[in-house]
Amino acid sequence: DAGVIQSPRHEVTEMGQEVTLRCKPISGHDYLFWYRQTMMRGLELLIYFNNNVPIDDSGMPEDRFSAKMPNASFSTLKIQPSEPRDSAVYFCASSLRTSGSYNEQFFGPGTRLTVL
Amino acid sequence: GQQVMQIPQYQHVQEGEDFTTYCNSSTTLSNIQWYKQRPGGHPVFLIQLVKSGEVKKQKRLTFQFGEAKKNSSLHITATQTTDVGTYFCAGGSARQLTFGSGTQLTVLP
Repeated sequence: DAGVIQSPRHEVTEMGQEVTLRCKPISGHDYLFWYRQTMMRGLELLIYFNNNVPIDDSGMPEDRFSAKMPNASFSTLKIQPSEPRDSAVYFCASSLRTSGSYNEQFFGPGTRLTVL
Repeated sequence: GQQVMQIPQYQHVQEGEDFTTYCNSSTTLSNIQWYKQRPGGHPVFLIQLVKSGEVKKQKRLTFQFGEAKKNSSLHITATQTTDVGTYFCAGGSARQLTFGSGTQLTVLP
């Protein structure tokens, strides 16, 4: 398996533009997570899905952020409009939950977003 | 909500010295996981502890889960330059997995 795939790896955009980050989880995994990592705030959970259904989006900073998972092999995180404070590394992770406990999460390589 | 605190935030050690990072949860956990993130990389799973008082070893790394299942530690014996990175704990409950803020380890040659 290729692992979790994210695209693009780097994104530089201007304030006000729409940004779409993409993620392909590991085949067979039923959980998908979106994280944001910055020096100031560390690793923050934004939203997670179970079987393509959003379960907890309480970490989404504001209405400018939205996430979708139209099928088991694809998810997007959209920021519209983007702002400089959105600059961060965005990670997607997937896992397979068994026996009622959370198993290890497999992280993608991340998308480094810079908003000018 | 569940909070997971990790100390210290930063640690510089001389190569060959030992290193320990500590993780504390505000609530009882069902399990705890540890991850390592190399500079410029992504978090990579190291281990999961489930049982109260559990101790697991991976070569020079020793992981402990507290008796009350609210704290954990990672100890590295005789650090090497390859140990450089940020170590995260992540506390699991029925609802979610909460990551600590991480300990950034620097190993000086």
